[in-house]
Amino acid sequence: DAKTTQPTSMDCAEGRAANLPCNHSTISGNEYVYWYRQIHSQGPQYIIHGLKNNETNEMASLIITEDRKSSTLILPHATLRDTAVYYCIVRVGISGGGADGLTFGKGTHLIIQP
Amino acid sequence: NAGVTQTPKFRVLKTGQSMTLLCAQDMNHEYMYWYRQDPGMGLRLIHYSVGEGTTAKGEVPDGYNVSRLKKQNFLLGLESAAPSQTSVYFCASTAGHYSNQPQHFGDGTRLSIL
Repeated sequence: DAKTTQPTSMDCAEGRAANLPCNHSTISGNEYVYWYRQIHSQGPQYIIHGLKNNETNEMASLIITEDRKSSTLILPHATLRDTAVYYCIVRVGISGGGADGLTFGKGTHLIIQP
Repeated sequence: NAGVTQTPKFRVLKTGQSMTLLCAQDMNHEYMYWYRQDPGMGLRLIHYSVGEGTTAKGEVPDGYNVSRLKKQNFLLGLESAAPSQTSVYFCASTAGHYSNQPQHFGDGTRLSIL
């Protein structure tokens, strides 16, 4: 799986949009970009994923650059409950697809300020 | 709507003792995983299973054994616990078969080895 680079920490004011960047310059054509988050003491929570098109769901939006070398996770209206570590993961399935585990880096610690 | 359930949530062991961690999922997922997370670090894959009766080694398998006798359950065993195995253990599952299926995580088991 390609390596990802994320800032160690970020602050965002409550109610504002939180934009979390991720660099994945060595991504391959068949690798997806996934975002998970981990709120203190809980298991990781899936947020969103995409291949090359921008994606949006009820939690967030994912913007992937045209060359796919970087992406941005957007939380449109951050709340205090969004304070967590956010992981950007690039992943491709092995034969049969989907079997391999996720490679977690250290992620970005997002702190939402009141 | 249980999802992935891990038992126990907390456990303290003495060096040399054995124990089994249980992971149960009610989503009929094919693939299941065991990760460990040490302070300040991302998750690391211990073992995984692509279906009932199958298991495979992950990144850090030494000192652990696993079994998948039933599709919904994935057991992680420590035969002779060591202080280095003090960690938070997370179980995850996914429908599998395609690389774009997200993993769903349990809330973890906090294990201390004295």
